[in-house]
Amino acid sequence: AQSVTQLGSHVSVSEGALVLLRCNYSSSVPPYLFWYVQYPNQGLQLLLKYTSAATLVKGINGFEAEFKKSETSFHLTKPSAHMSDAAEYFCAVSDFSNDYKLSFGAGTTVTVRA
Amino acid sequence: EPEVTQTPSHQVTQMGQEVILRCVPISNHLYFYWYRQILGQKVEFLVSFYNNEISEKSEIFDDQFSVERPDGSNFTLKIRSTKLEDSAMYFCASRGSWQETQYFGPGTRLLVL
Repeated sequence: AQSVTQLGSHVSVSEGALVLLRCNYSSSVPPYLFWYVQYPNQGLQLLLKYTSAATLVKGINGFEAEFKKSETSFHLTKPSAHMSDAAEYFCAVSDFSNDYKLSFGAGTTVTVRA
Repeated sequence: EPEVTQTPSHQVTQMGQEVILRCVPISNHLYFYWYRQILGQKVEFLVSFYNNEISEKSEIFDDQFSVERPDGSNFTLKIRSTKLEDSAMYFCASRGSWQETQYFGPGTRLLVL
């Protein structure tokens, strides 16, 4: 069975400050890991993914995430927050053994202060 | 860029009524999924579908739910007799063969009164 834990349901950052969203996963087989972003009243947009290649993954909008197997983590970062980063962010895990179905974390809402 | 589309974007229905939510996956994708997100909660897997069969379903996906690929382009989720607790955003997703990434549609917001 797979699961994802996102630490912190809400994160507030100042514009220009570092954004750090934490994600820990549990998987009995090598996982695929994803970060999706959901803007208000919109669908889920893929930010980035880890698929067993490079452990440091770069995504859209300046976001990146690092896969750390020893810590079972896949934290999302962005060096400098922009007002447009205000959204809800979901970490998700899947693997080949269950048709790649996604198990999502509870989500982290990011607000950006001017 | 190809994308998953869903119709309608919003649907309001009375409890006990049947609803059909429609999805058009990315054209060369063969794996299809439905997820739902109750307001304020996390996104939950409902069902996966491949080769005209359900591959896997969650505990949520009971006898009131069914999925179908009625033609070469559409993928539908039917709820036979809606309940208040079915009110949620329903997302369709699709995936290509030998790919691990699912691409999501914009969702259908279902409100059951």
